[in-house]
Amino acid sequence: DVKVTQSSRYLVKRTGEKVFLECVQDMDHENMFWYRQDPGLGLRLIYFSYDVKMKEKGDIPEGYSVSREKKERFSLILESASTNQTSMYLCASSQGAANIQYFGAGTRLSVL
Amino acid sequence: GENVEQHPSTLSVQEGDSAVIKCTYSDSASNYFPWYKQELGKGPQLIIDIRSNVGEKKDQRIAVTLNKTAKHFSLHITETQPEDSAVYFCAASTNGGSQGNLIFGKGTKLSVKP
Repeated sequence: DVKVTQSSRYLVKRTGEKVFLECVQDMDHENMFWYRQDPGLGLRLIYFSYDVKMKEKGDIPEGYSVSREKKERFSLILESASTNQTSMYLCASSQGAANIQYFGAGTRLSVL
Repeated sequence: GENVEQHPSTLSVQEGDSAVIKCTYSDSASNYFPWYKQELGKGPQLIIDIRSNVGEKKDQRIAVTLNKTAKHFSLHITETQPEDSAVYFCAASTNGGSQGNLIFGKGTKLSVKP
């Protein structure tokens, strides 16, 4: 079974802190994605990567950056956390184009 | 770009009844349509998908239909059970370009009452 692991289930951070959300997949997938999920807004794509050291902006990249130094790991970075970044963050991976995305369990981030 | 509309946002049914969730998409080039189920405290999990060369696909109690002309697709759950209670998301994707990014609907919260 594909496994996508997000390092934290819950995080509480202060406004202005630098926050790292980590995601690891064990299926050698090319593509990895970061979404945020908010009630009534569904899943919105923040950033994605289709290869090591490659990154592309999604629909809502403002306030976020990403890092993909190894194929299996995709990190989401909040340079200076703000209260409007309180949300559920979901990582996903897939192989190839137009294919099944496998999701992690999510990280619920609260910024106080 | 692609836009996916999903209805209804909430759906309540009695156990044993059928449930139908509908989605429309805007990009006629979309050719892959997955449905995800998200249970409380978990990430979304694929339950069924359909590609544009197929009009209908079934897997036990769930089925998906696709109408390419009208650009809409639907999820049908028959003989619903309490464990079907979850949030369901539809999505659409095009092959090639942006490595098959999925555009998601806003979700439907399904409640199955015993």
